[in-house]
Amino acid sequence: EDQVTQSPEALRLQEGESSSLNCSYTVSGLRGLFWYRQDPGKGPEFLFTLYSAGEEKEKERLKATLTKKESFLHITAPKPEDSATYLCAVQAWAGGTSYGKLTFGQGTILTVHP
Amino acid sequence: NAGVTQTPKFQVLKTGQSMTLQCAQDMNHNSMYWYRQDPGMGLRLIYYSASEGTTDKGEVPNGYNVSRLNKREFSLRLESAAPSQTSVYFCASRFGTANQPQHFGDGTRLSIL
Repeated sequence: EDQVTQSPEALRLQEGESSSLNCSYTVSGLRGLFWYRQDPGKGPEFLFTLYSAGEEKEKERLKATLTKKESFLHITAPKPEDSATYLCAVQAWAGGTSYGKLTFGQGTILTVHP
Repeated sequence: NAGVTQTPKFQVLKTGQSMTLQCAQDMNHNSMYWYRQDPGMGLRLIYYSASEGTTDKGEVPNGYNVSRLNKREFSLRLESAAPSQTSVYFCASRFGTANQPQHFGDGTRLSIL
């Protein structure tokens, strides 16, 4: 069974204080790892897809990295508008009718204080 | 820029009532999904439709039914609502080729009394 665990559950930062969020996963064969951002009262918004160990993706102050067991979302010099819940999800290689299914972690609630 | 549209945004039901949650996407996506999101549980897949004309059970399908009405629309029905189905329901869609991300609507907040 595919499993995704995110840590910490909540993270409070001061503006400009860089940090990282962790996503540990267990999957039979990783087809893709996805990072989403979710604002209160909204649906998840896609950020990145990572496909293989060693891959990195960047967008503004965010950088996602991937190893064979975990992914990190690095936040450099965060601003208050980066406050949100960050979700990690994995898609496994599987045949039949499991097409495109994602397994999500519980998310990390990030709060950035000015 | 509509993307994935869900209706209604909020709903309160009494135990035993039935209801259909509507979802439509305008991105010409092939696959569509229904999730529920509960505190401490993350997003859990209820049902999905890999393509028009097909539907399959996800992780938590009991108490729900779905209909893929056409390529754009995918509805979720609660036949006899129970308090345990109080949740936020999200619809998502995906183009369908390998590793494409799912795109989500803004959810339906459902309370069952």
